[in-house]
Amino acid sequence: GQQLNQSPQSMFIQEGEDVSMNCTSSSIFNTWLWYKQEPGEGPVLLIALYKAGELTSNGRLTAQFGITRKDSFLNISASIPSDVGIYFCAGHLDYGGSQGNLIFGKGTKLSVKP
Amino acid sequence: GAGVSQSPSNKVTEKGKDVELRCDPISGHTALYWYRQSLGQGLEFLIYFQGNSAPDKSGLPSDRFSAERTGGSVSTLTIQRTQQEDSAVYLCASTMGEGNQPQHFGDGTRLSIL
Repeated sequence: GQQLNQSPQSMFIQEGEDVSMNCTSSSIFNTWLWYKQEPGEGPVLLIALYKAGELTSNGRLTAQFGITRKDSFLNISASIPSDVGIYFCAGHLDYGGSQGNLIFGKGTKLSVKP
Repeated sequence: GAGVSQSPSNKVTEKGKDVELRCDPISGHTALYWYRQSLGQGLEFLIYFQGNSAPDKSGLPSDRFSAERTGGSVSTLTIQRTQQEDSAVYLCASTMGEGNQPQHFGDGTRLSIL
């Protein structure tokens, strides 16, 4: 089936450092979404991207929809302890029409040391 | 409430028993999704409901899994004759309509099969 390759699997960083994670696929996507999940909770939407090349920020978070439509990255600047969690990329495949389910990456587990 | 509500939050049952998991989507959302998340993994699509259309069941792993959505709102995911490999967090999400709108997730039901 279709796969999203998300990397890195985990990150251990010092508070204040910047973070970068990305997702790639061999398939073309027409939407890229980035979610954060904390223990015992469902994923919470951080950023949604709808156009190739789109660069969107949400506070200290910045994400881009790759020009090839096969990749996306998420950057977190000046990390703080509450950034801890698992970050998932997700996307809708480009079937030429609307479709329902999202394809998810396996997540990047972020740990921040104060 | 304002968000997607799932119940129960935790369920422990013996192998071979049937279980029912419930999802109340956000009011007015016409699309509803079920996902399964195994420990340390991304989300695996199970089933998708959109309005009155026939559901997309392409992600259901076996015929022991079924779901229904009554009145276009509340949904129930049923797992019959549970197996230990069914242990996972089952997440429900909803969106306002068709297309690539971001999905809003509930906090999931953590299912443990003994």
